[in-house]
Amino acid sequence: QVQLQESGPGLVKPSQTLSLTCSVSGGSINSGGYYWTWIRQHPGKGLEWIGYIYYSGGTYYNPSLKSRVSISLDTSKNQFSLKLSSVTAADTAVYYCVRDTQECSGGSCWGWFDPWGQGTLVTVSS
Amino acid sequence: DIQMTQSPSSLSASVGDRVTITCRASQSISRYLNWYQQNPGKAPKLLIYAASSLQSGVPSRFSGSGSGTDFTLTISSLQPEDFATYYCQQSYSTPRTFGQGTKVENK
Repeated sequence: QVQLQESGPGLVKPSQTLSLTCSVSGGSINSGGYYWTWIRQHPGKGLEWIGYIYYSGGTYYNPSLKSRVSISLDTSKNQFSLKLSSVTAADTAVYYCVRDTQECSGGSCWGWFDPWGQGTLVTVSS
Repeated sequence: DIQMTQSPSSLSASVGDRVTITCRASQSISRYLNWYQQNPGKAPKLLIYAASSLQSGVPSRFSGSGSGTDFTLTISSLQPEDFATYYCQQSYSTPRTFGQGTKVENK
């Protein structure tokens, strides 16, 4: 079964760039039918969708973060990555990498988030 | 963006109770609605997709219904492991959005 695992610094200074990598095992990232996604959760709060990348390299970002976000693929390592620039304390959160499964039939495409990585806490502080 | 509103924000229930959580979308999303369960310190877990389809391995006491703007997650007989926070999420359009969560607590 597919498993996802986040990695990266747990502490980032304000104004710097947050960089996280998601390693995918048990399946190839270079196949259609999935959007490789980042989601974050502020401490004690709800879930915020950051954006996704498709195996072809196409991306879509949350407009609220679009000017600061970049998601990329490394198919040779079966990984995808998140970069968030100019971070502030408001970017302190648990960051999850997630597979958004897309199943299409009869002209409709259904999507859901499964599986999820375990999440990694990133704190923005000097 | 499509706004998702859950009610209630929290509820107290006992083992064996029937529990219902409601999710309302700010516009019609057909049946593009998923439900997740999150335990403290853990990642969310998919329960229901496409409004009413049970994810493999999820107990049958969980069920989902609804279409358009109004959806329901029902736990037919609450078990000890069901005390958690539940989120709805729309997959109708991007950006994907979640409800604010419903915390199910032990009465």
